[in-house]
Amino acid sequence: DAGVIQSPRHEVTEMGQEVTLRCKPISGHNSLFWYRQTMMRGLELLIYFNNNVPIDDSGMPEDRFSAKMPNASFSTLKIQPSEPRDSAVYFCASSLFEASTDTQYFGPGTRLTVL
Amino acid sequence: GENVEQHPSTLSVQEGDSAVIKCTYSDSASNYFPWYKQELGKRPQLIIDIRSNVGEKKDQRIAVTLNKTAKHFSLHITETQPEDSAVYFCAAKVSNYQLIWGAGTKLIIKP
Repeated sequence: DAGVIQSPRHEVTEMGQEVTLRCKPISGHNSLFWYRQTMMRGLELLIYFNNNVPIDDSGMPEDRFSAKMPNASFSTLKIQPSEPRDSAVYFCASSLFEASTDTQYFGPGTRLTVL
Repeated sequence: GENVEQHPSTLSVQEGDSAVIKCTYSDSASNYFPWYKQELGKRPQLIIDIRSNVGEKKDQRIAVTLNKTAKHFSLHITETQPEDSAVYFCAAKVSNYQLIWGAGTKLIIKP
């Protein structure tokens, strides 16, 4: 398996522009997580999907952030409009939701820079 | 709310010596405690985990211990090597899906 795939790996944009980050989870996994990582705040859970349904979006910073999972193999995180404080590394992770299996597998991340 | 405290924030050890990183969690219902290693510019990767029905788990040079009464768990790395240099994160599972993460420990292995 190729693991969790994210694109783009790097994104540089100007303040006010729309940014879309993409994630393909591991085949067969039914849970998907979007995280944001910064030096100041560490790893923050933004949103959690189970079987393509958003279960917990309490970590989404504000209305400028939105996430979708139209099918089991694809998810997007959109920021519109982007701001410099959104600069961070965004990770997507997937797991198989079972009582005995909890491991979250991370993608390579998208390093976002908003100028 | 639930939190996980991780210490120290930076740890420098001589190559070949042991390293210990400690975490304390607040939710007594937590039952799963993974440790992730993140090398510079890379993704976090699971290196070892432990469940609440086990007190200790080992995998070659790495071991994790859990004290449920005191609500703390520790990562032990023996015979440290240069490739052990990274940031290590502990986490505690607080619901059927959510992990609460520690702030990370930067481990530096001195040659």
